[in-house]
Amino acid sequence: EVQLVQSGAEVKKPGESLKISCEGSGYTFTSYWIGWVRQMPGKGLEWMGIIYPGDSDTRYSPSFQGQVTFSVDKSISTAYLQWSSLKASDTAMYYCARQSLRSGPPIDYWGQGTLVTVSS
Amino acid sequence: DIQMTQSPSSLSASVGDRVTITCRASQSISRYLNWYQQKPGKAPKLLIYAASSLESGVPSRFSGSGSGTDFTLTISSLQPEDFATYYCQQSYVTPRTFGQGTKVEIK
Repeated sequence: EVQLVQSGAEVKKPGESLKISCEGSGYTFTSYWIGWVRQMPGKGLEWMGIIYPGDSDTRYSPSFQGQVTFSVDKSISTAYLQWSSLKASDTAMYYCARQSLRSGPPIDYWGQGTLVTVSS
Repeated sequence: DIQMTQSPSSLSASVGDRVTITCRASQSISRYLNWYQQKPGKAPKLLIYAASSLESGVPSRFSGSGSGTDFTLTISSLQPEDFATYYCQQSYVTPRTFGQGTKVEIK
């Protein structure tokens, strides 16, 4: 069974750093792109970008380029999303998601989400 | 970036109604269009990919159509479990933008 399990909720102060994780299982982790999607409170889905665990090829949305960093650790089938200096506006639910190999390609599996709250 | 515009932003419907949601791309995306359903507090779920292909396990009352810039998601007979927010997403180019969502509420 394919699963993406994300790390738990975080409460941080503005200016702090943060790294959240997404562990894939039930499939060949290095063969599928992993994406990150932001959902601010009460708002819609925003595509942040994708990373290919096989070679760490990364594509950021221009809206998020320079604001976040994607990385992977292939040895433990885990993808990461990190911030070096959080802002209050980073408060949101963050989903990791697997990009299918099918025509499209759509997102076929999602993590359960990690809620990040940034408040002084 | 390709802009995806859904209409309506929200709608009220009754169980058994036929519901249609449209999604328009700011430029042609061929058939690289996906539809997702999201319920409160849950991750989105894939319904339709490549404009009209039904994801495995999704009820056949859901269907998708369109190509180029104009797409449609249809629910042929709305069921209680279908009250949710629906998003389209283009996967033609990066960034793979989403529409703003359509909330389907109970009338």
